[in-house]
Amino acid sequence: DVKVTQSSRYLVKRTGEKVFLECVQDMDHENMFWYRQDPGLGLRLIYFSYDVKMKEKGDIPEGYSVSREKKERFSLILESASTNQTSMYLCASSFISGTGELFFGEGSRLTVL
Amino acid sequence: ILNVEQSPQSLHVQEGDSTNFTCSFPSSNFYALHWYRWETAKSPEALFVMTLNGDEKKKGRISATLNTKEGYSYLYIKGSQPEDSATYLCAFNSSSASKIIFGSGTRLSIRP
Repeated sequence: DVKVTQSSRYLVKRTGEKVFLECVQDMDHENMFWYRQDPGLGLRLIYFSYDVKMKEKGDIPEGYSVSREKKERFSLILESASTNQTSMYLCASSFISGTGELFFGEGSRLTVL
Repeated sequence: ILNVEQSPQSLHVQEGDSTNFTCSFPSSNFYALHWYRWETAKSPEALFVMTLNGDEKKKGRISATLNTKEGYSYLYIKGSQPEDSATYLCAFNSSSASKIIFGSGTRLSIRP
């Protein structure tokens, strides 16, 4: 069974803290993505990566960075968390060839106080 | 920023009725159009990924059509059931290694 695993389902952090969200996939996918979901706004792309050590900015990269040191792992980093980063974060992965169908993790709900 | 728009934003349908909703996307540099179903407390799951103009795909009571020249896709649900209640997302990408951009979704509620 294919799997995308996100490290934490729920996190509560304080303003200014550094936050790491981890995502691991076991499907040997080249592409990995980080989205955030807010009511009425759908899924907005933060960053994506199509290869190890490669990264591309999405539509809302400000305040975030990413790391892809191994093919199976894609980390989202909030250097200094702020209250407007309270959101649901979804990781997804896909093959670089074929249909590009995305496989999603279960999401990480982050609250920044 | 690429724009993917879905309508309506939400829909309430009586059980047994059929329904449809729309996704519009850029008609240039097209690679694929995706439809996902996102049920509460679960991960989004792919329904269809369509790549060719004129594509029609079907999975049980759900089907989708694609018009890449004019930049729209329709999702149809025949004989809605309570288990169809979910948010339906469409997404567009312009190449196999490009970002995949989502619309804001259509939230479907089925009244028993």
